[in-house]
Amino acid sequence: DAKTTQPPSMDCAEGRAANLPCNHSTISGNEYVYWYRQIHSQGPQYIIHGLKNNETNEMASLIITEDRKSSTLILPHATLRDTAVYYCIGARYSGYALNFGKGTSLLVTP
Amino acid sequence: NAGVTQTPKFQVLKTGQSMTLQCAQDMNHEYMSWYRQDPGMGLRLIHYSVGAGITDQGEVPNGYNVSRSTTEDFPLRLLSAAPSQTSVYFCASSPGRGSYEQYFGPGTRLTVT
Repeated sequence: DAKTTQPPSMDCAEGRAANLPCNHSTISGNEYVYWYRQIHSQGPQYIIHGLKNNETNEMASLIITEDRKSSTLILPHATLRDTAVYYCIGARYSGYALNFGKGTSLLVTP
Repeated sequence: NAGVTQTPKFQVLKTGQSMTLQCAQDMNHEYMSWYRQDPGMGLRLIHYSVGAGITDQGEVPNGYNVSRSTTEDFPLRLLSAAPSQTSVYFCASSPGRGSYEQYFGPGTRLTVT
């Protein structure tokens, strides 16, 4: 699986967009970029994934650079409930055996 | 659907004791996995299964056994508990081939003294 690098922490004001970066310069052509988040001590929750194209769902948008070496998860209007640890994972087409790193701890402030 | 359930929620063991962490899912998912999360760390894969009767090791399998006799259940056995196994354990399931998403249980917080 690709190694990913994320900043350890970020802050965002409530109502503003939260942009969470992820570097994955060694990602291979058949590896997807997955994003999960973990709120407090709950089990992680899937957010979104992508291969080459930008993706959007009801939770977030995923922007992947053309060279696929980095990506950004965008929470368009962050709320206090978005405070969580966000994990960026590079992995092949798979629904198991994901390697979570330390992620980015996002704090949304009033 | 109850989703992925884990029991117990909390457990305290003495060094050398054995126990089984239970995990069940009612979504007819093919894939199941066990992770552990130490304080301030991300999740690390212990064992996983791609179907009944099929299991494989993850990143940190030592000290743990698994079996998958049914699609629904995937218990994790600690053979002889050690303080280094103090952690939060998460079970996850996924529909299988063609699926991108894992569904996680609420976790079991284990302390070994």
